[in-house]
Amino acid sequence: EDQVTQSPEALRLQEGESSSLNCSYTVSGLRGLFWYRQDPGKGPEFLFTLYSAGEEKEKERLKATLTKKESFLHITAPKPEDSATYLCAVRRTQGGSEKLVFGKGTKLTVNP
Amino acid sequence: DTGVSQDPRHKITKRGQNVTFRCDPISEHNRLYWYRQTLGQGPEFLTYFQNEAQLEKSRLLSDRFSAERPKGSFSTLEIQRTEQGDSAMYLCASSLGMEREQFFGPGTRLTVL
Repeated sequence: EDQVTQSPEALRLQEGESSSLNCSYTVSGLRGLFWYRQDPGKGPEFLFTLYSAGEEKEKERLKATLTKKESFLHITAPKPEDSATYLCAVRRTQGGSEKLVFGKGTKLTVNP
Repeated sequence: DTGVSQDPRHKITKRGQNVTFRCDPISEHNRLYWYRQTLGQGPEFLTYFQNEAQLEKSRLLSDRFSAERPKGSFSTLEIQRTEQGDSAMYLCASSLGMEREQFFGPGTRLTVL
């Protein structure tokens, strides 16, 4: 069964203090790893899609990387507005399913 | 606003009542997905449509749940005989096709008393 584990569950940073969030996955035939940002009471907001090991994508202070077993979301010099829950999800090839399997998320708080 | 829209945003109902939610996807997207999210958890897949065809259903989708997407445009999710365990955020997402990212709506928060 597909599994996605995110760590840590919660992370507190000072403004400007860089760090990384981890997403470990077990899936039969990865067909995309997705990162989303979710603010309280809102739907997830799409950030990145990664398809193969070694791939990297960047957006402002965020950089996502992918290996065969895990993905990292690096946050460089975060600001308070980066505070949110970051969700990781995978999609697999088996059975042609298009569903996303999500982790529980990492709740990031950036203090000014 | 050209994003995914959902209605209502909040719904409070009594146990045993029926509720229906609506989702309007991004206009050119042919795939539409429903997920459910409870506090502290990631979204869990319920079902998805390609145009008007319902192609996959989760085991989470009991007989009390039904979803439709007439004419391949908007979709409705109905829950019959609601239970307190149905209280959750119901999220709709759409995508342009296979292998493409899913864009989520703001969700409908259901509270069953």
